[in-house]
Amino acid sequence: QQPVQSPQAVILREGEDAVINCSSSKALYSVHWYRQKHGEAPVFLMILLKGGEQKGHEKISASFNEKKQQSSLYLTASQLSYSGTYFCGTEKGGSQGNLIFGKGTKLSVKP
Amino acid sequence: DAGVIQSPRHEVTEMGQEVTLRCKPISGHNSLFWYRQTMMRGLELLIYFNNNVPIDDSGMPEDRFSAKMPNASFSTLKIQPSEPRDSAVYFCASSPPRHTNSYNEQFFGPGTRLTVL
Repeated sequence: QQPVQSPQAVILREGEDAVINCSSSKALYSVHWYRQKHGEAPVFLMILLKGGEQKGHEKISASFNEKKQQSSLYLTASQLSYSGTYFCGTEKGGSQGNLIFGKGTKLSVKP
Repeated sequence: DAGVIQSPRHEVTEMGQEVTLRCKPISGHNSLFWYRQTMMRGLELLIYFNNNVPIDDSGMPEDRFSAKMPNASFSTLKIQPSEPRDSAVYFCASSPPRHTNSYNEQFFGPGTRLTVL
């Protein structure tokens, strides 16, 4: 039931774009995205809800395809500060808020 | 406002010893989560409390692990006896009630890095 993320790692130059994908084998009520910088705790980025509602980050956008049980995170014009590991999380049944996280996508942005 | 507070930040212990990790959630939050993070397994949910009651402990690896939440402002995760494979970073996170329209985002503490020799 753990969501699958791809790619596992991405290396970018500043200003380049990246897409991180998250897919699940079960129906999704919501998808949560978090970013973790090295040596720090994960930090909430955004949530996408069934029906199209989302709460987002200023410069990072995401999509949620309920039928395909997939979500994608779009990082445009990447900055050095975008470096970190990105995790998607799906709610473990009953929308109680307890999440199952994917294994993460490590993003490195170089000058 | 203070965020989620965890203690200790680092713990080194020997195999067989008891380890207790502590967490103070953000005031007003009614959900609390314990996670374990390793390179091999990623970020795993161990147990989830709502209003101080354990709702889902299916992620607790085995009987050596136990967690309590005696009140809304304190939780512990205990490992007894500890083993080298328990070495990991343990995070505590809390989230506010859904009715506050917060979308249930989780706020993570800084984590406790546990090393069992």
